Amino acid sequence: QVTLRESGPALVKSTQTLTLTCDFSGFSLTSSEMSVSWIRQPPGKALEWLARIDWDDDKFYSASLKTRLTISKVTSKNQVVLTMTNMDPVDTATYYCARLQGPAAPFDSWGQGTLVTVSS
Amino acid sequence: DIQMTQSPSTLSASVGDSVTITCRASQSVRNWLAWHQQRPGKAPKLLIYKASTLQSGVPSRFSGSGSGTEFTLNISSLQPDDFATYYCQQYEDDYTFGQGTKVEIK
Repeated sequence: QVTLRESGPALVKSTQTLTLTCDFSGFSLTSSEMSVSWIRQPPGKALEWLARIDWDDDKFYSASLKTRLTISKVTSKNQVVLTMTNMDPVDTATYYCARLQGPAAPFDSWGQGTLVTVSS
Repeated sequence: DIQMTQSPSTLSASVGDSVTITCRASQSVRNWLAWHQQRPGKAPKLLIYKASTLQSGVPSRFSGSGSGTEFTLNISSLQPDDFATYYCQQYEDDYTFGQGTKVEIK
């Protein structure tokens, strides 16, 4: 059974750096074609893709947020970490991690999400 | 960036009704199109991928069609659990989602 769970601070201040961790089980990021992405959803709004990391450590970022994002993996711990710098109140959102089985694949398993509020 | 536009934004229906949601892409995504369901306060759940392939465990009353720039999600005989928000998502070029269609009880 595939599970993903996000964790991180519920509240950050403007200009601070956010660090989120995705702990997953039921698959391995050493397996060919496996990937994990981060997606966010501001309250009452639509979903926005942020970043993806592949089994071979290739990394891809949203063009609009690329300068602020870093995605990495800790294979031994089955974790994927996202950092976002220079946080702003508009970054208030629920942040999800999700699995993909290949680059040309949909998000087929999602974590429960973690709400991050940015105070000014 | 590929933009995804869904219609309608809100849809009112009753249990047992059949409904259709449309998703249009700003450029061709071939058939790299998925549909996700999101219930209030919950994570999205994959329903359909490659435009028309039902994800394992998803009831057959859900179906998808289309290719290129126009896609539809059909739900036949709405059940109480189906009242939720539905998002289309392209994965032809990075990933973008539609703005969502809320299916509410009439």
